[in-house]
Amino acid sequence: GAVVSQHPSRVICKSGTSVKIECRSLDFQATTMFWYRQFPKQSLMLMATSNEGSKATYEQGVEKDKFLINHASLTLSTLTVTSAHPEDSSFYICSARDTRVNTEAFFGQGTRLTVV
Amino acid sequence: AQSVTQLGSHVSVSEGALVLLRCNYSSSVPPYLFWYVQYPNQGLQLLLKYLSGSTLVKGINGFEAEFNKSQTSFHLRKPSVHISDTAEYFCAVSDKTSYDKVIFGPGTSLSVIP
Repeated sequence: GAVVSQHPSRVICKSGTSVKIECRSLDFQATTMFWYRQFPKQSLMLMATSNEGSKATYEQGVEKDKFLINHASLTLSTLTVTSAHPEDSSFYICSARDTRVNTEAFFGQGTRLTVV
Repeated sequence: AQSVTQLGSHVSVSEGALVLLRCNYSSSVPPYLFWYVQYPNQGLQLLLKYLSGSTLVKGINGFEAEFNKSQTSFHLRKPSVHISDTAEYFCAVSDKTSYDKVIFGPGTSLSVIP
């Protein structure tokens, strides 16, 4: 199946700094990628839809200026958590659809962000 | 709008026993349904999916699920669980119009006891 890779898998940063998380589709092109957030022992909540070459679409309640999404190429989307605070600590997962398959999205392995 | 509910946030069963994890969905269009498994501190792994056709779907690791349109359910079961099946299980829904925008249920934590 298609492979989606996230980097880094774990990151610790200081409050007030920014952190960038990368999501790559390794063997296919993805015009659309999705970013999810998962709090401990909770489900995955969709944050935003990342569209190649255009602005991301954010779900209600997600701060656009806080979570910057860039989808500059068909194989890479990035999520930047700006001015991170401890409450931003979470598990972030991206997904991408392989247009050749057209039936499901493939998920990355996730990034554990800890803000201290 | 689509939504998913999972009855039972935590299920404990003995090794070798049958396990049934319940999932009900809401969708105004024919749904695509998925079950994912998440091991601690890891990403998601697709267990199985229903897109159309046969209502009984077989997945990896001996899991299977049955789509029931009238009951809007997609329950997951495994006849004989192993300790290694201890994990978090998520039921999810999407559809033909937005099949990559997946909506997840709250999850069920499965503990398999020796």
